[in-house]
Amino acid sequence: KAGVTQTPRYLIKTRGQQVTLSCSPISGHRSVSWYQQTPGQGLQFLFEYFSETQRNKGNFPGRFSGRQFSNSRSEMNVSTLELGDSALYLCASSRDRGKYEQYFGPGTRLTVT
Amino acid sequence: QKEVEQNSGPLSVPEGAIASLNCTYSDRGSQSFFWYRQYSGKSPELIMFIYSNGDKEDGRFTAQLNKASQYVSLLIRDSQPSDSATYLCAVINAGNMLTFGGGTRLMVKP
Repeated sequence: KAGVTQTPRYLIKTRGQQVTLSCSPISGHRSVSWYQQTPGQGLQFLFEYFSETQRNKGNFPGRFSGRQFSNSRSEMNVSTLELGDSALYLCASSRDRGKYEQYFGPGTRLTVT
Repeated sequence: QKEVEQNSGPLSVPEGAIASLNCTYSDRGSQSFFWYRQYSGKSPELIMFIYSNGDKEDGRFTAQLNKASQYVSLLIRDSQPSDSATYLCAVINAGNMLTFGGGTRLMVKP
C-alpha cells in the first residue's frame, strides 16, 4: 500500500506571498491532519480534516487554512507569508478519527525569504 | 505545564545495551499513545502504539503504559547505531488531538 504523499517537497517563497501544499493520504484513510515542525517549537498541530470538514484546529492565525476533498486528499494554504512560517509542514493520515495511529508523509520544506 | 513532556537528551547508550525513553502526559482523558522515530531531515515514522495499561512488545521495542501515573515509556533492546535518532512521544487527548512531546535524542555508540 502506498504511503502518504506530499507535494511539493521543497518550496521557496517571498514574504507576503501565499502558498498551497497538497497531501494525498494512504488509500482508505479518511482523516488527514497537518503539522508544522520548527527547531524552536517542535511539532505543532495545525488542523484535522475528516469527511471534508475541519474537526480540530490548533493555535495558529487565520492565515493558515485548509480543505479536504471527497477523495480525502487535502490541501493547506498559508497567505501573506512571514519569515517565521519557514518550517517543515507535515501531513498525516489515519483510517478514522479518534484513537487511531497516524502515518506521516515526507513533508514539504517551506523557506520564506 | 506542557501536555506531553520528554527529556530532550541526548541519551547516550553503548551498542547492544537497552535504551529507555520516558514520557509523561497531563491530560487524564488521553486514550492513545504513540512513539515515533525521526531521523534528521526526515519525517516521523511510527514505531509503536499502545492503548491499554501494561506492556506491548514488537521485536526489539517494548512500549509500557501506566495511566494511573500518566507515564509511557519505550524500551529498545540490543540498541544499534542505526537506532540513533530523535524519539517523539505523542498522545491523543480527550479532544481527539495528537499532541507531541519535544522528543528525546538517542545516540547509540559503537
